[in-house]
Amino acid sequence: DADVTQTPRNRITKTGKRIMLECSQTKGHDRMYWYRQDPGLGLRLIYYSFDVKDINKGEISDGYSVSRQAQAKFSLSLESAIPNQTALYFCATPTGQGVGDTQYFGPGTRLTVL
Amino acid sequence: RKEVEQDPGPFNVPEGATVAFNCTYSNSASQSFFWYRQDCRKEPKLLMSVYSSGNEDGRFTAQLNRASQYISLLIRDSKLSDSATYLCVATSGGYQKVTFGTGTKLQVIP
Repeated sequence: DADVTQTPRNRITKTGKRIMLECSQTKGHDRMYWYRQDPGLGLRLIYYSFDVKDINKGEISDGYSVSRQAQAKFSLSLESAIPNQTALYFCATPTGQGVGDTQYFGPGTRLTVL
Repeated sequence: RKEVEQDPGPFNVPEGATVAFNCTYSNSASQSFFWYRQDCRKEPKLLMSVYSSGNEDGRFTAQLNRASQYISLLIRDSKLSDSATYLCVATSGGYQKVTFGTGTKLQVIP
């Protein structure tokens, strides 16, 4: 089984709709991250969480909110989706606490906002 | 200027060739560096960390030059399966700041 799972894998929605993307990890890591990837812009950090009670904004948090329901679960919400939020969204969890640790990514959610 | 910059490519190389990618970073406080590999429409996966002394993993060699603020990835004896996008990553601030490059696309041709 995959260490990091994301649901849904693909979603098409309309402008103004509320969308939730879910992420679960079985690695037992404290930290979890949400990124979006756009062509030509690379991966950009939306939100990150160091543990259940510690949630931080990333580079591009406007228009998004998150919820860390448990150590293993980290959800990303788009309260009112807009077309420029069309992107590939990745959840990731680093291996440890330090700067040198590496990230395990989920398979991604492809979101299209019409 | 982007904090981490890469040539987007594509680099089209024949099988067996040696190819090198560079990545420059602008934040002198960057502490750790990595190369990730991303196949089309898939998640990035760690290829290798980059150490100041340089490190090698099979056909792959990574180098860090702090004075000039760049890292490099050398792939020897390219295989068709090496075709992918290679992402450069720099981190700082206890992993509070993680910056990805936009990636360099490699296509290995038969």
